[in-house]
Amino acid sequence: DAKTTQPTSMDCAEGRAANLPCNHSTISGNEYVYWYRQIHSQGPQYIIHGLKNNETNEMASLIITEDRKSSTLILPHATLRDTAVYYCIAFNDYKLSFGAGTTVTVRA
Amino acid sequence: EPEVTQTPSHQVTQMGQEVILRCVPISNHLYFYWYRQILGQKVEFLVSFYNNEISEKSEIFDDQFSVERPDGSNFTLKIRSTKLEDSAMYFCASAREQGTYEQYFGPGTRLTVT
Repeated sequence: DAKTTQPTSMDCAEGRAANLPCNHSTISGNEYVYWYRQIHSQGPQYIIHGLKNNETNEMASLIITEDRKSSTLILPHATLRDTAVYYCIAFNDYKLSFGAGTTVTVRA
Repeated sequence: EPEVTQTPSHQVTQMGQEVILRCVPISNHLYFYWYRQILGQKVEFLVSFYNNEISEKSEIFDDQFSVERPDGSNFTLKIRSTKLEDSAMYFCASAREQGTYEQYFGPGTRLTVT
């Protein structure tokens, strides 16, 4: 699976949009971009995934650049409960390879 | 909404003892996984299981580990002779299909080996 690079941490104000960047410059054509999050000590939670097109669901939006070398996860209205570690994973196989992720802290 | 469940939530065992961690995957899912997370470290893949056999395993998953689906609902991870370094959170996950389908994780079992 392709390596992904994410900032170590970021803060976000409650009620504002949180934009989480991810670089995946070596992603192959059949690898999807997946986002998971892990709220303190809980199991990872699936958020969203995409291949080429932008995607939106009830949790978030995923914007993938045309060259697919980077993407941005957008939490449209961050709440305190969105405080978590967010993982960007390039995946097309059987196992999810989790990196260190981005620790997002939503502040009131 | 269906969810993956795991029992127990916390297991304390002595070094050398056998432990069995249990998982109930989502009912219509066919692919099952175990991951572990040592405190403060990354989530690591251990094994994937499909059609009653292991499909992939990592180098962590040595002869001390085994998995089983003893009936139509449970999926278990057995550690034959626990070591101190087996202390970790163990997460079970399931997916409807393999490949580009989301994996749903359980809440985890915290294993403490003393």
